[in-house]
Amino acid sequence: DAGITQSPRHKVTETGTPVTLRCHQTENHRYMYWYRQDPGHGLRLIHYSYGVKDTDKGEVSDGYSVSRSKTEDFLLTLESATSSQTSVYFCAISEFQNDNEQFFGPGTRLTVL
Amino acid sequence: AQSVTQLGSHVSVSEGALVLLRCNYSSSVPPYLFWYVQYPNQGLQLLLKYTSAATLVKGINGFEAEFKKSETSFHLTKPSAHMSDAAEYFCAVREFGNEKLTFGTGTRLTIIP
Repeated sequence: DAGITQSPRHKVTETGTPVTLRCHQTENHRYMYWYRQDPGHGLRLIHYSYGVKDTDKGEVSDGYSVSRSKTEDFLLTLESATSSQTSVYFCAISEFQNDNEQFFGPGTRLTVL
Repeated sequence: AQSVTQLGSHVSVSEGALVLLRCNYSSSVPPYLFWYVQYPNQGLQLLLKYTSAATLVKGINGFEAEFKKSETSFHLTKPSAHMSDAAEYFCAVREFGNEKLTFGTGTRLTIIP
């Protein structure tokens, strides 16, 4: 299994509070991704990174920011959490060549009350 | 632009019966196609991938998929369902030169004893 950990694994927070989720990899892969999974929507890309300090938006980036100061860590921040951000969040990594797959972490279940 | 359609959000089959999960894609350039499986409360795991080497792709756990360019399809099959196959299955597409995956909305497979 690819070495990907996510923390915390579960979090309950209140509307308006800031939340940071962490993804840590031990594979030295260049690309890292944050997705959210919601029933009926599959996985939707929030943000991704193609190197240290290099990030770009995905299809559902509003209300989220990311940072990558080291190859192994990719942080997802909800500046002011809303109930619509209640979801399961997955981190993925990839050593991008066209036929390479992405490897997924175990997920973080976030509940915003 | 790339997109994926999975027909049937829920599929039920009897144990020992054929499993057929449908995936159709839209892509303006040659695609790379992936099937992932997600067991309850876990991350996504790669089942198989199409990378243009062969149109019939064999994956783990007895699954296979056939790439049909004329039908823009990449359906997943397994000859004989097992109880352990109960999970959610996601089809995903990546276009040549694009570092991002686009996922379908998923198909939940239920196995009837």
